[in-house]
Amino acid sequence: NAGVMQNPRHLVRRRGQEARLRCSPMKGHSHVYWYRQLPEEGLKFMVYLQKENIIDESGMPKERFSAEFPKEGPSILRIQQVVRGDSAAYFCASSLPGGPGGTPHAGANVLTFGAGSRLTVL
Amino acid sequence: AQKVTQAQTEISVVEKEDVTLDCVYETRDTTYYLFWYKQPPSGELVFFIRRNSFDEQNEISGRYSWNFQKSTSSFNFTITASQVVDSAVYFCALSEGGSYIPTFGRGTSLIVHP
Repeated sequence: NAGVMQNPRHLVRRRGQEARLRCSPMKGHSHVYWYRQLPEEGLKFMVYLQKENIIDESGMPKERFSAEFPKEGPSILRIQQVVRGDSAAYFCASSLPGGPGGTPHAGANVLTFGAGSRLTVL
Repeated sequence: AQKVTQAQTEISVVEKEDVTLDCVYETRDTTYYLFWYKQPPSGELVFFIRRNSFDEQNEISGRYSWNFQKSTSSFNFTITASQVVDSAVYFCALSEGGSYIPTFGRGTSLIVHP
């Protein structure tokens, strides 16, 4: 029963190139989250998606960043024209829809995280 | 708006010492959920515990205990008789009842020396 799979684990890009990070959610999970972890800043929410639908992208930078979660295949976080400030660890997490065990509240959801993708921009 | 503050950036202890990681939260909701996650050196965050706002009962699980106090908006985590394997970054998180998106604190790095 594989957990959340992220690849690549490490990615090196030069300024101006594109970075694509992939995330396969845990089996049975239909919600995907992307977080960015910068040194001294903790985990910052970027985007929350369901299949074929972006639910909340309030944490995504307005330019160069995009995310998708197609009907088939993994979720993709795409960063165009990377800059040094994009260097960070990007974590994907997945969850069940709604609350677990009959709990009606979405806020009760436990997120299952992947091991992260570490992007280094030279 | 929901906010989580972990004022301790890094804590260093010697094995077998007790250590408490602080977490203070802000929310206007009356229904909310609090979490602790552990991030070991391997990088993957692992869920530890979830509490809801209606249950202030403290919880103990082996060497780990959690103290939830609504009066001070705190959800502190204590490790008794710490071990080297406890070395990790610990994140406190908050989700308001109707929100799918938890907010994380900055994390506290715990280093346990042998």
